[in-house]
Amino acid sequence: DGGITQSPKYLFRKEGQNVTLSCEQNLNHDAMYWYRQDPGQGLRLIYYSQIVNDFQKGDIAEGYSVSREKKESFPLTVTSAQKNPTAFYLCASSLLGTGGSAIYFGEGSWLTVV
Amino acid sequence: AQSVTQLDSQVPVFEEAPVELRCNYSSSVSVYLFWYVQYPNQGLQLLLKYLSGSTLVKGINGFEAEFNKSQTSFHLRKPSVHISDTAEYFCAVSATGGQNFVFGPGTRLSVLP
Repeated sequence: DGGITQSPKYLFRKEGQNVTLSCEQNLNHDAMYWYRQDPGQGLRLIYYSQIVNDFQKGDIAEGYSVSREKKESFPLTVTSAQKNPTAFYLCASSLLGTGGSAIYFGEGSWLTVV
Repeated sequence: AQSVTQLDSQVPVFEEAPVELRCNYSSSVSVYLFWYVQYPNQGLQLLLKYLSGSTLVKGINGFEAEFNKSQTSFHLRKPSVHISDTAEYFCAVSATGGQNFVFGPGTRLSVLP
């Protein structure tokens, strides 16, 4: 089935460690996104990419990094510079160039700092 | 730039009662409108979308929404809710010709037995 796969579902990070969240899509979508969601809160955009080897910062990019080496993949690294990384992370994708494409989401990844 | 307001952060309703979740948006350009549902510990799932044409849009799980351009609203309705509809609901917009999505803060729907 086509969709967006995020892994791992649950991840624990020690203080000072970098961790990488995986996001893969087989929908042939051009654009990919990373959002952060804190409990009981809405979505905040971290990074997005519209084409391979190019990406843009969202509203809360500090302490995060991404890469887009393949169309299907958009991993997010949470660096030690992110002071409060405990949150639910959502990866998403959408088509470009067609009017009114919706954005589609993966199942999310929980990151907890221990 | 676009913005989205969801006036109710929480909506409690009894099972089999009707419900309306309100969404208002602000934009200087034409927009596309979406409603998403999020169950606990899951990603967001598309309920319905308005692109053009008929202002009444039907979606999955018996939900529908009506686009009102003059009031810049896109309220979500269901005539009879079930316990399983308990979830967080997000309204979103994207500018026509653009690709960034702007989400509202969400409305938590709690269906009571």
